[in-house]
Formats: sequence, C-alpha cells, structure tokens
Amino acid sequence: AQTVTQSQPEMSVQEAETVTLSCTYDTSESDYYLFWYKQPPSRQMILVIRQEAYKQQNATENRFSVNFQKAAKSFSLKISDSQLGDAAMYFCAYLTYGGSQGNLIFGKGTKLSVKP
Amino acid sequence: ETGVTQSPTHLIKTRGQQVTLRCSSQSGHNTVSWYQQALGQGPQFIFQYYREEENGRGNFPPRFSGLQFPNYSSELNVNALELDDSALYLCASKSLGGGIHEQYFGPGTRLTVT
Repeated sequence: AQTVTQSQPEMSVQEAETVTLSCTYDTSESDYYLFWYKQPPSRQMILVIRQEAYKQQNATENRFSVNFQKAAKSFSLKISDSQLGDAAMYFCAYLTYGGSQGNLIFGKGTKLSVKP
Repeated sequence: ETGVTQSPTHLIKTRGQQVTLRCSSQSGHNTVSWYQQALGQGPQFIFQYYREEENGRGNFPPRFSGLQFPNYSSELNVNALELDDSALYLCASKSLGGGIHEQYFGPGTRLTVT
C-alpha cells in the first residue's frame, strides 16, 4: 500500500523569504501523480501544484515549485517570496496513475506560519 | 473557490443517530469522492461514485454509505454514529476520462458527535 509522510508538523517563515516543505512517499508503482494541497482556516482544500511521475522536469506555478526526486521518493514544495496569505496547512498527496478510483492518499500535513 | 458546494456547514448529532451530508459537484464533473478528515490529520478516502455507482472504497465500515444522483450531486450517509465519526467531511469532484486527475474540493461539513 502507498503511504505519504510529512515529517514537519509545523514550519515558520518570514514574509518575503523562502521555505521548503518536505514530503516522502512509498510506492511500488512506476507511474503516479503527486500533489500539494493548501488548506487555509476556511477549510477548503486548494490545489497548489501537480507533478506527473513520468515527467522529469519539476513543476512550477508562479511562486510555488517542487523538487521531485523519483528514486528517493521525495517531493518537496518550495514557496518563494512568502506572503501572509500563504499561511495554511499544506498536504502532500499521492494518486495512482490512471487512478479511475480517485483515491488520493494524503500525508498528515504541515502547518505553515508566515511572520510579518 | 471551486464550484463544489456542501451542506450543511456544521452539524451536531448524538451517538447512535444517523446523518446525511450533501455535495453538489462542479459543473461538468461526473465523479464524486468523499473524504473524512479527523482533527490534526490528513483526509482519508471513504468512497467514490461514478455514474451513480460506487466504484472505489476505502477502509470504512458499511454504515458509511452514499448515493449519486443523475445530476451528479451526492450524499454521504452515516448510520449508528460513533464519537470517532466526529470530523470534517470533504467531498471532491472531477471528470473521469479527462486525463487530468485533479480533484476539486468543497468547503466541507464539520460533524460533531456527542
């Protein structure tokens, strides 16, 4: 069975600085998707970034980028120029490629605080 | 915001009661998944509905059941509520066959069982 581990329960960053959130996963599959979701206090889970395992190039979305290390089964999220609105819970999630059953597997999350 | 809505926002029930939670999918989406998120945890997959049939289920007992309607809206029913059922219940919709497996989440229903 696949598992997702986020080893940092809490992280803190100064506004305008850069922070990296860690995620490791365990799977025997070769094709899959990885996601980072953000959950602010409003509770709505918002997709931040997506990575297909077959792509070697790391995904980027504006200030958000990932460092995907397939052999190490590592998928970290880097947030550049942190803003107060980035404060939230961040969840790393795994999805089997061609996963018609839509079974996202989540880590326990990292709570990110942004200091002004 | 996504186009996924859930009702009610909050709910308080007593142990042993039954509860129904509702989810309206984003327009164009034909698949709905339900997740349970206990306090301080990541969401756990309950089940998924596609074309009004359950086509995937996580490690949840049969007292968790669901429905999907022709308009792709969905219900989650929980019978014989237990204290451990207290959690945030999230639904997520997507369109199967689109090749991109992104799920769009609703704001959740906070269920408290006393």
